[in-house]
Amino acid sequence: KQEVTQIPAALSVPEGENLVLNCSFTDSAIYNLQWFRQDPGKGLTSLLLIQSSQREQTSGRLNASLDKSSGRSTLYIAASQPGDSATYLCAVKGNFNKFYFGSGTKLNVKP
Amino acid sequence: GAVVSQHPSRVICKSGTSVKIECRSLDFQATTMFWYRQFPKKSLMLMATSNEGSKATYEQGVEKDKFLINHASLTLSTLTVTSAHPEDSSFYICSARGTSGTPSYNEQFFGPGTRLTVL
Repeated sequence: KQEVTQIPAALSVPEGENLVLNCSFTDSAIYNLQWFRQDPGKGLTSLLLIQSSQREQTSGRLNASLDKSSGRSTLYIAASQPGDSATYLCAVKGNFNKFYFGSGTKLNVKP
Repeated sequence: GAVVSQHPSRVICKSGTSVKIECRSLDFQATTMFWYRQFPKKSLMLMATSNEGSKATYEQGVEKDKFLINHASLTLSTLTVTSAHPEDSSFYICSARGTSGTPSYNEQFFGPGTRLTVL
């Protein structure tokens, strides 16, 4: 069964820092990997989607990489802002269109 | 972009009652919808996959008689928590996937979630 792990579980950084969130998965047979943002008590906002054939995707200050063979993905956030504070979830899509989620990294960007 | 709504956003009910949660795809047709449950400070756990016009497929350990899922149209799926108990209190999130051949086919678009509290 696919297992998705996110490290660290929580991260606190001062505003302006660049940071990296990590996601690892045990089964490399995935269709894609998606990074989401979740604000407290809210649903999910999709940030970046990487297809299994891709190595990275970029959107603004966000860059996500995927190394399928090693079962790893990173989300790089440049010049972090207090508004980036949220929980970041990664999810991999496996067979039968099932998504397997990590437990998230709770990010706090201090002004 | 593809938008998914959920109703209600928050519900409080007494133990023993049933609660229905709706998930709608607003601007696209969703052949498949998914229901997730999220415990506090935990990740999302897939409960079931709902296909339009057919029975839902439940994940191992999820009681299908407890969590009734109906996907009667290409834009609406409902989750009914029957005879709810306090341990059913959770955050329930649905997602929808577009029909084959459309741009939304390879993604899942998530609703805003429903907070259920059973007293």
